[in-house]
Amino acid sequence: ETGVTQTPRHLVMGMTNKKSLKCEQHLGHNAMYWYKQSAKKPLELMFVYNFKEQTENNSVPSRFSPECPNSSHLFLHLHTLQPEDSALYLCASSQGYGGEWYEQYFGPGTRLTVT
Amino acid sequence: AQTVTQSQPEMSVQEAETVTLSCTYDTSESDYYLFWYKQPPSRQMILVIRQEAYKQQNATENRFSVNFQKAAKSFSLKISDSQLGDAAMYFCAYNGPGGSYIPTFGRGTSLIVHP
Repeated sequence: ETGVTQTPRHLVMGMTNKKSLKCEQHLGHNAMYWYKQSAKKPLELMFVYNFKEQTENNSVPSRFSPECPNSSHLFLHLHTLQPEDSALYLCASSQGYGGEWYEQYFGPGTRLTVT
Repeated sequence: AQTVTQSQPEMSVQEAETVTLSCTYDTSESDYYLFWYKQPPSRQMILVIRQEAYKQQNATENRFSVNFQKAAKSFSLKISDSQLGDAAMYFCAYNGPGGSYIPTFGRGTSLIVHP
């Protein structure tokens, strides 16, 4: 596969469930990002990893827990979510700090519904 | 902090005509990057065009071109010969050292293309 992939594409979970979102990039990039995209709201940056180190945590509630085991994989672990967490979760990658950040490459997103 | 403003929540255009989407930004930096991304309905966000601030020449990519006015901090996107497939949400974004190379996105402009 090429580019940035995300699984699952759709997820419905109850407020007491635990689930994980997965992102994988096949571009040789060093920086990876999680965004939340809700209807009628701006794109919200959640987390940034550069060379596997978290460089940004944009005041995200602790019920969202990121994990970046290597530069190609990024996870978002979810637990005890709220209905307002329902949104499209986008993963992106870029070359990262140390080179040029340039543009981001986005995955197709995971449509999350919390019931 | 850097800000990116897209003042047009929605724009419409007739097929084969030309439309211009507006974007203004605020930065104290002299060297940075500006981008336009396209997010079609239920599809992946992709880069449309990129402009490097130190380049005076406006970027072009086939039917897409920008009008970059550095002094005015303006970065508009012109779509010529509009096609039905151009219908999408368009995001303007800034990336540069002032924001620690974390991209700043505008709120987006929804483009409707009428046949």
